[in-house]
Amino acid sequence: DTAVSQTPKYLVTQMGNDKSIKCEQNLGHDTMYWYKQDSKKFLKIMFSYNNKELIINETVPNRFSPKSPDKAHLNLHINSLELGDSAVYFCASSLPGGVAHEQFFGPGTRLTVL
Amino acid sequence: DQQVKQNSPSLSVQEGRISILNCDYTNSMFDYFLWYKKYPAEGPTFLISISSIKDKNEDGRFTVFLNKSAKHLSLHIVPSQPGDSAVYFCAASGSSGAGSYQLTFGKGTKLSVIP
Repeated sequence: DTAVSQTPKYLVTQMGNDKSIKCEQNLGHDTMYWYKQDSKKFLKIMFSYNNKELIINETVPNRFSPKSPDKAHLNLHINSLELGDSAVYFCASSLPGGVAHEQFFGPGTRLTVL
Repeated sequence: DQQVKQNSPSLSVQEGRISILNCDYTNSMFDYFLWYKKYPAEGPTFLISISSIKDKNEDGRFTVFLNKSAKHLSLHIVPSQPGDSAVYFCAASGSSGAGSYQLTFGKGTKLSVIP
C-alpha cells in the first residue's frame, strides 16, 4: 500500500546512455513532481505535472523530459546521460491546495553515471 | 542564491532534552513553511507546517515558530527521542499556479539524539 513508489531504487549506467525512472502514486493526487538531490544535498524542483500539464520547469536541461501517461504516473526520461546527472531523484505528489501544501515523497532513485 | 538556509549542518542533543532546529529565508512571498524529516535511503516525510499568517503551530512534541519580521523559523522537539535522529529539511512554499506549489528546500540539519 505504498503511497508514492519509484523504480528502480538504484540505477548505474554509462555516460551517453538513455534511461528512465518510473513513479506511481496511489493517493489520488492531481499534481506530481520530480526533485533532484545533488551531492551538496540540496533538494531542487525539476518538474511538476497537474492534470497532464507541465507547470514548472526549473532551468532543467532538455535532455530531461517528464512523461505522464495518466494522473497516477509521472516518469522521468533522461537522454545522453552525463556525469553531473549523478544524484538522487525524488518523485512527489500533492493535492491542489492540499493541507499546508504538503507533498508526499517517494523513496528516491539513486542514479550513478560512470 | 539560497532562498532557504539552514546554517547548522548538524546538531546533537541528549535524549529527553529540547532540540531546536533553525531556518532562515529571504523571499517575503512564501506563504507556507514546512518541516520534513528524512531517514537514510528514504524520501522526506512531512512533519509539521505553519502558515505565514501565524506565529506558532504545535503538534504533539513538535512546535514550529515563525518570526516574519526576522524571516526566521524554528522547529522545537521536546522531549527529544532517539527515533528523532534524522535529517530535518526546512521548506518554503509559494504558488506556481493551477494548484501547484513549489517547495524550496534548505540544505538540511542532521539531528542526533543521544540515549
